[in-house]
Amino acid sequence: DVKVTQSSRYLVKRTGEKVFLECVQDMDHENMFWYRQDPGLGLRLIYFSYDVKMKEKGDIPEGYSVSREKKERFSLILESASTNQTSMYLCASSLPLRTSGWTYNEQFFGPGTRLTVL
Amino acid sequence: LAKTTQPISMDSYEGQEVNITCSHNNIATNDYITWYQQFPSQGPRFIIQGYKTKVTNEVASLFIPADRKSSTLSLPRVSLSDTAVYYCLVRGGTASKLTFGTGTRLQVTL
Repeated sequence: DVKVTQSSRYLVKRTGEKVFLECVQDMDHENMFWYRQDPGLGLRLIYFSYDVKMKEKGDIPEGYSVSREKKERFSLILESASTNQTSMYLCASSLPLRTSGWTYNEQFFGPGTRLTVL
Repeated sequence: LAKTTQPISMDSYEGQEVNITCSHNNIATNDYITWYQQFPSQGPRFIIQGYKTKVTNEVASLFIPADRKSSTLSLPRVSLSDTAVYYCLVRGGTASKLTFGTGTRLQVTL
């Protein structure tokens, strides 16, 4: 059974702290993604990775960085947490896009981490 | 980047068929249309995907007209457990990136 796990369901941090959110998938997927979800704004892509040590910025990368040292693990890093980074963070993984261009593989999501920055 | 527009919310009674329409006027020739479902406190999960005409699986049907500028997700005989947010996506930008809108919040009641 497909599984994406995230290190914490709930996290409370203080402004200025360095925060690590971990995501692990057991499906041998090449692609991994980090999103944040806020009321009224839907899901927004922060970063994604299409291979080990490879990354690409999403729509809202400011204030975040990522690390992918192993295929199964993708970390989101908040270098200096701020209150406007209080949000639900969702990790996802997928197989690579088929080069035919006619389809792509579904993304499998983790349960999410609700981060509160005080 | 293909943008989608869908209703913010819908209400239905249990046992009814629900149709959620999504518009995507600037869909590209190679784009597929995909729908995800998200229950409270969970990540989204894939429901169905299509390119044109009709696609059906055990969960839903997807109707796409010839011009592909819109699509309709059809949920037959909904139950309370179908209460969720439904997202319509069109693959846009680079190949792997997806753009989620705000989705349609479906509330099913007795």
